Amino acid sequence: AQSVAQPEDQVNVAEGNPLTVKCTYSVSGNPYLFWYVQYPNRGLQFLLKYITGDNLVKGSYGFEAEFNKSQTSFHLKKPSALVSDSALYFCAVRGPAVLDMRFGAGTRLTVKP
Amino acid sequence: DAGVIQSPRHEVTEMGQEVTLRCKPISGHDYLFWYRQTMMRGLELLIYFNNNVPIDDSGMPEDRFSAKMPNASFSTLKIQPSEPRDSAVYFCASKLGQGTEAFFGQGTRLTVV
Repeated sequence: AQSVAQPEDQVNVAEGNPLTVKCTYSVSGNPYLFWYVQYPNRGLQFLLKYITGDNLVKGSYGFEAEFNKSQTSFHLKKPSALVSDSALYFCAVRGPAVLDMRFGAGTRLTVKP
Repeated sequence: DAGVIQSPRHEVTEMGQEVTLRCKPISGHDYLFWYRQTMMRGLELLIYFNNNVPIDDSGMPEDRFSAKMPNASFSTLKIQPSEPRDSAVYFCASKLGQGTEAFFGQGTRLTVV
């Protein structure tokens, strides 16, 4: 079975500071990992993905994520947070032999001016 | 392309009534997913299709829920009869191929009173 955990319901950072949103996963085989962002009353928007290759993945809006196989983690990072980054962030995983994604519970990021 | 299109955006119905949610995937995409989002349970995968064929409907909560995909450009999720606990935001998503990310519609907010 595949699953993903986002251990923090809420992350608060000050504008300009670095941010990290944590994600750990469990899957059989090599994982396909994704980050999505959801703004109020909107659908999920794709940020970035890891399928294979370089462990550091760069995505939209200055976000990046690092795949760590030994720690089964895929944390989302940004060097300098913006107030407009405030939203709900979802990590998702699927295994290579599985076609659907499983989402974490989501982490609400609040960036304060 | 206009992205994944869902209709209606909002639906309010009385308990016991039939509800039909609609989705138009991105043209050319061969996978279509239906998710439900609630505060209590987060994002749940209900069912997904590949080339219009239902692959996994194990997430469909009850027999009251049914989904169809009569062609590559249209899918419906039907609830009959609806109950107040069905109130949620229902998302449709589509993607092309196995190693790619899914694109989400803006969702249908269903309220059953």
